[in-house]
Amino acid sequence: AQSVTQPDIHITVSEGASLELRCNYSYGATPYLFWYVQSPGQGLQLLLKYFSGDTLVQGIKGFEAEFKRSQSSFNLRKPSVHWSDAAEYFCAVGTPGNNDMRFGAGTRLTVKP
Amino acid sequence: NAGVTQTPKFQVLKTGQSMTLQCAQDMNHNSMYWYRQDPGMGLRLIYYSASEGTTDKGEVPNGYNVSRLNKREFSLRLESAAPSQTSVYFCASTPTDWDYGYTFGSGTRLTVV
Repeated sequence: AQSVTQPDIHITVSEGASLELRCNYSYGATPYLFWYVQSPGQGLQLLLKYFSGDTLVQGIKGFEAEFKRSQSSFNLRKPSVHWSDAAEYFCAVGTPGNNDMRFGAGTRLTVKP
Repeated sequence: NAGVTQTPKFQVLKTGQSMTLQCAQDMNHNSMYWYRQDPGMGLRLIYYSASEGTTDKGEVPNGYNVSRLNKREFSLRLESAAPSQTSVYFCASTPTDWDYGYTFGSGTRLTVV
């Protein structure tokens, strides 16, 4: 079965600094990959998704992610972090036609003024 | 606003009590899901309904039952609550399968004492 690892439980960055959140997956074929964001007390919101094609995916709120098959990674990036980006971020992997999407444990982002 | 609505938002139960969590979506989505979120474990799939009239077990179905009442509504029932079911429960939906990324409700925080 597929699995997802987010190595960083908590990351702190200064406002205006760049951000990279790591995600590694384990799956035998080309997976479907997703990043979600969860603000405190809220449900998850889809940031971006990768199915196939261009390995650099653009999402909402200025985020992007790059699929690297050789490294089994799908890292999330943002060039300049805003205080409103403070939230928890989840990477998820799924299989076409299989209703068993697996989520990582999440990375909590703190933004310093 | 279109989306996924969950009720209640908060609930405290005593061990052995039963309750039903309600979920409704107004986006005409075919597929609906119930997840639980626990600290350090991400989200885990409890049950899903790929389409009206069908339900299937996910990763952690024990202690739960579901009903797809119609295309809009998908309820989760705890017949005899246990402290291990203390969690935040999220309902989600997708147009079909999960390829398009989930739309999540805002969650139900359940405490079993």
